[in-house]
Amino acid sequence: SQQGEEDPQALSIQEGENATMNCSYKTSINNLQWYRQNSGRGLVHLILIRSNEREKHSGRLRVTLDTSKKSSSLLITASRAADTASYFCAETSGSRLTFGEGTQLTVNP
Amino acid sequence: DTGVSQDPRHKITKRGQNVTFRCDPISEHNRLYWYRQTLGQGPEFLTYFQNEAQLEKSRLLSDRFSAERPKGSFSTLEIQRTEQGDSAMYLCASSSTPGQGRETQYFGPGTRLLVL
Repeated sequence: SQQGEEDPQALSIQEGENATMNCSYKTSINNLQWYRQNSGRGLVHLILIRSNEREKHSGRLRVTLDTSKKSSSLLITASRAADTASYFCAETSGSRLTFGEGTQLTVNP
Repeated sequence: DTGVSQDPRHKITKRGQNVTFRCDPISEHNRLYWYRQTLGQGPEFLTYFQNEAQLEKSRLLSDRFSAERPKGSFSTLEIQRTEQGDSAMYLCASSSTPGQGRETQYFGPGTRLLVL
């Protein structure tokens, strides 16, 4: 079953603005991963943050993790039209990934 | 291309028919996963293999579903007596054995199934 929630469900911004997406989860995690999915396509791995890490950067991406609140956020800076996609967080406990429902990001040129 | 591949990319079938999907993982990965994704939802775990052993199955995987990975390389997912509710995207992923920074699961492009 699906666990966790992502907020907001949909986000529309202008090119160049920053986009922040939040994710809450329910279990004790080994790590949390963020994925991007373009319409009707497979998932592309963006970044993994471990349970003992609080912040991680990769290019224009910044991920934070607050294990006391069981929440994570993904920040995309200086957004581009090509960033338009669905973004999912996935908690890892054991071997399976448990995904949230995702945030649909639209970046308008 | 050395990523995860899936075949076919699209499948349309009539209710009651059997369908089989294939997944070829990244060659050095010993773990292979199957997920199902319906419209507007995140993927849901179905099952995973380590080498040829099927180690975990979700309760979503009814008796009509069977997965195999006979030689520890490619995998097949078969759905027997398909139902309209089986219409979804079926995603395959692979990874190394978790540990030492190798937890990332890499996904294939998916097989979109439509049951009429």
